[in-house]
Amino acid sequence: GEDVEQSLFLSVREGDSSVINCTYTDSSSTYLYWYKQEPGAGLQLLTYIFSNMDMKQDQRLTVLLNKKDKHLSLRIADTQTGDSAIYFCAERNNAGNMLTFGGGTRLMVKP
Amino acid sequence: NAGVTQTPKFQVLKTGQSMTLQCAQDMNHEYMSWYRQDPGMGLRLIHYSVGAGITDQGEVPNGYNVSRSTTEDFPLRLLSAAPSQTSVYFCASSSLGLAGGSEQYFGPGTRLTVT
Repeated sequence: GEDVEQSLFLSVREGDSSVINCTYTDSSSTYLYWYKQEPGAGLQLLTYIFSNMDMKQDQRLTVLLNKKDKHLSLRIADTQTGDSAIYFCAERNNAGNMLTFGGGTRLMVKP
Repeated sequence: NAGVTQTPKFQVLKTGQSMTLQCAQDMNHEYMSWYRQDPGMGLRLIHYSVGAGITDQGEVPNGYNVSRSTTEDFPLRLLSAAPSQTSVYFCASSSLGLAGGSEQYFGPGTRLTVT
């Protein structure tokens, strides 16, 4: 079955760039997603990338996809304290009816 | 729009008790789903529905039942609670299922403890 893995924790200083990494196993995934979860809240979609793309940029967010290595990353430029949260990557299955989530990366931004 | 609402916010059950977690959305979304979130494991899909009268199992359906009698409501029933069901439960909905980059809107969650 599908498996999505992320590192547990990342700490950066305010103003630096953050890079959150994710690996997945389902080579037939067509869409990959990044979600953000703030304390005590549900998940919020940040961005997504279609599998035929290598890169997608959206303001401070850059998503890189390496299909050969099944590696997905999220770069946050000029990281702010408000970016402190848990970030989840997720892949959509081939049938298009389920998402498989990674375990989440807790990003801590120090002032 | 209230978005996706869940009740209750917190619940403590004894082993063997049953209860229903409520989920409602006012966005006329066809696709609704239930996830559980456990530390370090991300979210795992319990059940989902692509429209009223249609439900299907996700990754971890055992011990849970769902029904979808209306577009708005998607309750999750715990038949006989077990400590392994201690978790945070999220309901989500989207307008186009998981088509393309359609966004799932998540509720605020229900924190359930089974003793």
